Amino acid sequence: NAGVTQTPKFQVLKTGQSMTLQCAQDMNHEYMSWYRQDPGMGLRLIHYSVGAGITDQGEVPNGYNVSRSTTEDFPLRLLSAAPSQTSVYFCASSYWNGQGKETQYFGPGTRLLVL
Amino acid sequence: AQKVTQAQTEISVVEKEDVTLDCVYETRDTTYYLFWYKQPPSGELVFLIRRNSFDEQNEISGRYSWNFQKSTSSFNFTITASQVVDSAVYFCALRGSGGSNYKLTFGKGTLLTVNP
Repeated sequence: NAGVTQTPKFQVLKTGQSMTLQCAQDMNHEYMSWYRQDPGMGLRLIHYSVGAGITDQGEVPNGYNVSRSTTEDFPLRLLSAAPSQTSVYFCASSYWNGQGKETQYFGPGTRLLVL
Repeated sequence: AQKVTQAQTEISVVEKEDVTLDCVYETRDTTYYLFWYKQPPSGELVFLIRRNSFDEQNEISGRYSWNFQKSTSSFNFTITASQVVDSAVYFCALRGSGGSNYKLTFGKGTLLTVNP
């Protein structure tokens, strides 16, 4: 298994540009989520999905869109980039075993700079 | 609303010392889940543990142990005989149930530095 992969690793955007951060997992996990990490703020949930075709907003969803057309992929779209979206973005997936024990996996992160 | 407080911003210890990282949480949910994560200097995030609110038994995994106390709304993390490789930022997080199910709220993290 490749685990959770994210592309790109680093991206520079100009204000107003749009882009898609890619996230994929090959573990057949139903639950996936996107977080942003800012200095001194910890991680904040942007959007999450509990399965293909189902998404919901997290704590800081404004300026971001998501879709989940397949179990494997959960892309995050920045509609019109703003300097406030400069951050490190992490994608994660979760798995529950038959006894309800949960394990989480994180991607390596995407560092985004908006000028 | 959910809230997680990690009052210790930074901790510095010498190798082989024991160290406890504090985590205090707030939630109105009767069922909830508590988590700890490690973020080493390389930047990746590593899931360490999930604890259910209905299971107050403490857990030990090697040099790591977790003390969950519902009465004080705390979920503290202890590293015994710390090592340089334990140097990282550690995050505590909370996930509720019902309407807030699946929404994970993180604390701001504690930077642990273990000096040789």
